[in-house]
Amino acid sequence: AQKITQTQPGMFVQEKEAVTLDCTYDTSDQSYGLFWYKQPSSGEMIFLIYQGSYDEQNATEGRYSLNFQKARKSANLVISASQLGDSAMYFCAMRGRGGADGLTFGKGTHLIIQP
Amino acid sequence: KAGVTQTPRYLIKTRGQQVTLSCSPISGHRSVSWYQQTPGQGLQFLFEYFSETQRNKGNFPGRFSGRQFSNSRSEMNVSTLELGDSALYLCASSLPQGLNTEAFFGQGTRLTVV
Repeated sequence: AQKITQTQPGMFVQEKEAVTLDCTYDTSDQSYGLFWYKQPSSGEMIFLIYQGSYDEQNATEGRYSLNFQKARKSANLVISASQLGDSAMYFCAMRGRGGADGLTFGKGTHLIIQP
Repeated sequence: KAGVTQTPRYLIKTRGQQVTLSCSPISGHRSVSWYQQTPGQGLQFLFEYFSETQRNKGNFPGRFSGRQFSNSRSEMNVSTLELGDSALYLCASSLPQGLNTEAFFGQGTRLTVV
């Protein structure tokens, strides 16, 4: 069984600051994928970034980067230069079993960017 | 390119009734997955369809079922509704689901059972 833990239910950050959202995972699979999604109040889940378990480099997508520490089973999302529009719920998720499983999500972190 | 479309956006049903939710995936996507989101349980995987076949199923009772049509559109059905079925139901489409396959989500159907 897979498990995702996000220990920060909510965070307040000043605009333009960098923010790190924590995510730890547990799986017995050797091959797995890690995802981060953003969910604004509208409800739609927006894909942000992906990291494969065998990727040696940390993934980056614009202002988003993933700090992947495989030995610690951690996959933290870093948002640089936060903007007011970054206020949303953020979910860490994983997929294992070679892609056969659906996504397993964490409980999420509610990020609020303050001006 | 149109995104994932879910209809209806909102539904109110009475306990004991049944409900059908619809999902039209992105053109060319043949995999459709369904998720339930509640404040208590968070996001949970319901099932995934690919080429009209259910490939994978989460831990939900048999009251939850689905199907996929030849045009990849999918429907999800919940029979004998319970108050606890009140949730946001999200549909995601993707190319054949693999380890790194990005799932594109719709805006969801918010179901309220009274």
